[in-house]
Amino acid sequence: GAVVSQHPSWVICKSGTSVKIECRSLDFQATTMFWYRQFPKQSLMLMATSNEGSKATYEQGVEKDKFLINHASLTLSTLTVTSAHPEDSSFYICSARARGGGNIQYFGAGTRLSVL
Amino acid sequence: QKEVEQDPGPLSVPEGAIVSLNCTYSNSAFQYFMWYRQYSRKGPELLMYTYSSGNKEDGRFTAQVDKSSKYISLFIRDSQPSDSATYLCAMSAPGSARQLTFGSGTQLTVLP
Repeated sequence: GAVVSQHPSWVICKSGTSVKIECRSLDFQATTMFWYRQFPKQSLMLMATSNEGSKATYEQGVEKDKFLINHASLTLSTLTVTSAHPEDSSFYICSARARGGGNIQYFGAGTRLSVL
Repeated sequence: QKEVEQDPGPLSVPEGAIVSLNCTYSNSAFQYFMWYRQYSRKGPELLMYTYSSGNKEDGRFTAQVDKSSKYISLFIRDSQPSDSATYLCAMSAPGSARQLTFGSGTQLTVLP
């Protein structure tokens, strides 16, 4: 149980285009979802926390107009990187916390974004 | 000083060895402790979850939490090449918006 599906696993796009990443909890309801960014050989950096039906809370230094997060249902959250530039190239990972699941987060497989 | 300190390694051990991975932390409010395993270019996978102090065992893995010392450990017995990965400790406090504070990760290689 507790499977989180993240798509796509790898995306290459041209500078200036927008990219959408989906995160789905397959077998549980995720009241809270988290989006992280990870640079090579570094730990996860929290970008934002989203609760179903409400606006996401962004960490300091994360541009909310650049990284649009939508958590429209209890099983789906999306991250849209708008007008992507090469410096946005990174590994993006989502996680989900189940209703009544304490503080455990279950992670997706990650999305590697390469902006040319 | 970081809230959570973890030796980044790299750590190399022969197959069959007992591996000890550790984290120290400074926030006494932390009560939830997790260990995740992350293979290269994949998302973290939950290995162990412990609430407050004590030990927890699951197969070849044992997690220990010593809140008095602010120290947590993960032991891997009979290590296998498939255990080669980065291990991340994570912890959180009640009422902290359920956010996790991660260690920097320890890169482990188990040599056949």
